[in-house]
Amino acid sequence: DVKVTQSSRYLVKRTGEKVFLECVQDMDHENMFWYRQDPGLGLRLIYFSYDVKMKEKGDIPEGYSVSREKKERFSLILESASTNQTSMYLCASSSAGGVNEQFFGPGTRLTVL
Amino acid sequence: QQQVKQSPQSLIVQKGGISIINCAYENTAFDYFPWYQQFPGKGPALLIAIRPDVSEKKEGRFTISFNKSAKQFSLHIMDSQPGDSATYFCAALGDFGNEKLTFGTGTRLTIIP
Repeated sequence: DVKVTQSSRYLVKRTGEKVFLECVQDMDHENMFWYRQDPGLGLRLIYFSYDVKMKEKGDIPEGYSVSREKKERFSLILESASTNQTSMYLCASSSAGGVNEQFFGPGTRLTVL
Repeated sequence: QQQVKQSPQSLIVQKGGISIINCAYENTAFDYFPWYQQFPGKGPALLIAIRPDVSEKKEGRFTISFNKSAKQFSLHIMDSQPGDSATYFCAALGDFGNEKLTFGTGTRLTIIP
């Protein structure tokens, strides 16, 4: 059974803290994605990666960075968390080449106080 | 413009009725249109998808209708059941040299007995 796992289901951090969200997939997928989900705004792409050490900005990259040192792992970093980054964060992966289903993790609900 | 507009934002349907969710896009370079279903506490999962070379695709009680000239597509859920209560996202993928999905804003569907 295919699986995308995220390091935490719930996370509470303080303004200004550095936050790491980790995602691991066991499907040997080339592509990995980070989205944030907010009511009324849908899923917005933050960053994606199509290979180890490769990354591309999505639609809302400001305030975020990413790291992909191994194929199965994709990390989202909030360098200095702010209250407007309180959100649900979803990681996804897909195989490369053409039209391929994205498989999502269960999400991390991040609250920044 | 790489936007996908989705309506309605929320929908209440009686058990046994037909649920209809609509999406519209601007960019004619989109060539793959999936629908994702998300249950509370879970990540989205692919439900059904269509290419623009067909006007309709049916899988069980779920049907996508596609109108290429109007740049619109819709999800129809026949004989809606309480277990269909979820948030539905339409999405679009195009030949832009990457494999990014553009998502609609989501529809929260509630099926009442």
